[in-house]
Amino acid sequence: DAKTTQPTSMDCAEGRAANLPCNHSTISGNEYVYWYRQIHSQGPQYIIHGLKNNETNEMASLIITEDRKSSTLILPHATLRDTAVYYCIVRLRSLRGANSKLTFGKGITLSVRP
Amino acid sequence: DVKVTQSSRYLVKRTGEKVFLECVQDMDHENMFWYRQDPGLGLRLIYFSYDVKMKEKGDIPEGYSVSREKKERFSLILESASTNQTSMYLCASSFRGPNSYEQYFGPGTRLTVT
Repeated sequence: DAKTTQPTSMDCAEGRAANLPCNHSTISGNEYVYWYRQIHSQGPQYIIHGLKNNETNEMASLIITEDRKSSTLILPHATLRDTAVYYCIVRLRSLRGANSKLTFGKGITLSVRP
Repeated sequence: DVKVTQSSRYLVKRTGEKVFLECVQDMDHENMFWYRQDPGLGLRLIYFSYDVKMKEKGDIPEGYSVSREKKERFSLILESASTNQTSMYLCASSFRGPNSYEQYFGPGTRLTVT
């Protein structure tokens, strides 16, 4: 699996966009980028995933660079409830069995301030 | 919305006791997972099930067993609890196949073994 590198922490003001970077310079052509977050005292929550095109859903947008060596998760209007640890994960999509496990690194702690 | 529920949020057990952790999902997912989360170690997969009565070992199955008698329910069993099994236990579920990384997690059970 490609390794990911994320800053340890960042903060942003409530109502502003939060841009969370992730480096995955060793990503292979058929590996996807997945983002999860974990709010304190809760289980992780799936946010979004992508291969090479930018993706958007009701929670966030995912921007993947053309060379796919890095990506950015964008929360367009951060709220206090978005304070969490955000994990960037790179994996093949179609593995079966126990290889479907998710490997979470340390993630980036996002603090949204009032 | 997908709902994954776990039988207890907090549990305190004594060394040597047999412990049952229950997980139920309501999205008709084929896959179900048990992870444990420890500070500095991230999430580690204990066991995985891709169908009723089917199971696969994850990274750290020692000291644990599982049961999947019904599609919606996946149980984790600590045969003889030990203090090193004090941890946060997280259950997750997903569809089988290419979407298996879109996992939905329960709120977690914080188990303390004394």
